[in-house]
Amino acid sequence: AQSVSQHNHHVILSEAASLELGCNYSYGGTVNLFWYVQYPGQHLQLLLKYFSGDPLVKGIKGFEAEFIKSKFSFNLRKPSVQWSDTAEYFCAVNGNNDMRFGAGTRLTVKP
Amino acid sequence: DGGITQSPKYLFRKEGQNVTLSCEQNLNHDAMYWYRQDPGQGLRLIYYSQIVNDFQKGDIAEGYSVSREKKESFPLTVTSAQKNPTAFYLCASSSLGGGVYNEQFFGPGTRLTVL
Repeated sequence: AQSVSQHNHHVILSEAASLELGCNYSYGGTVNLFWYVQYPGQHLQLLLKYFSGDPLVKGIKGFEAEFIKSKFSFNLRKPSVQWSDTAEYFCAVNGNNDMRFGAGTRLTVKP
Repeated sequence: DGGITQSPKYLFRKEGQNVTLSCEQNLNHDAMYWYRQDPGQGLRLIYYSQIVNDFQKGDIAEGYSVSREKKESFPLTVTSAQKNPTAFYLCASSSLGGGVYNEQFFGPGTRLTVL
């Protein structure tokens, strides 16, 4: 079975710092890629997704992610984080109709 | 107001008891899923269903059962056979198009605690 790795378990940043969360996956075929966010006390919701085309994907709230096929990666970025970005972030990969989630990265943004 | 509802939000159960978690969606999605979320482990798939009256085991189906009698509903029963049932349970749904899973929409979750 394929796997998804999120190497950062907990990231702590100050407001206005730049963010990059890593996501790597193991499936070698065609994949659909997702980043979900879970704000404290709220539903898991979609930040952005990649199916095909431009590997640089823009999502909500200023987030973006870049699909690098050769590196099996789909890292999430934001140039300047805000206190309201404090949440848990999950990478998900769908390969061959098998959807897998990473273990999640908890982001804490200090005001 | 479309979405996925899960009830109850919090559930307490004594050891040895079965308990059923509710999941309803009004998004007209064909596929529905149950995940278990534990700290540091992400979301692990318990069961999923792509069509009424059919469902498939996920990675951690042991000790759980589901039914899909209606398109809108996908209840999960946590049986007494589940060794470590205390967890946060998430239900999701998605459309199915061209054999490719689309994004999944999630409910608010049910936190189950076994006393």
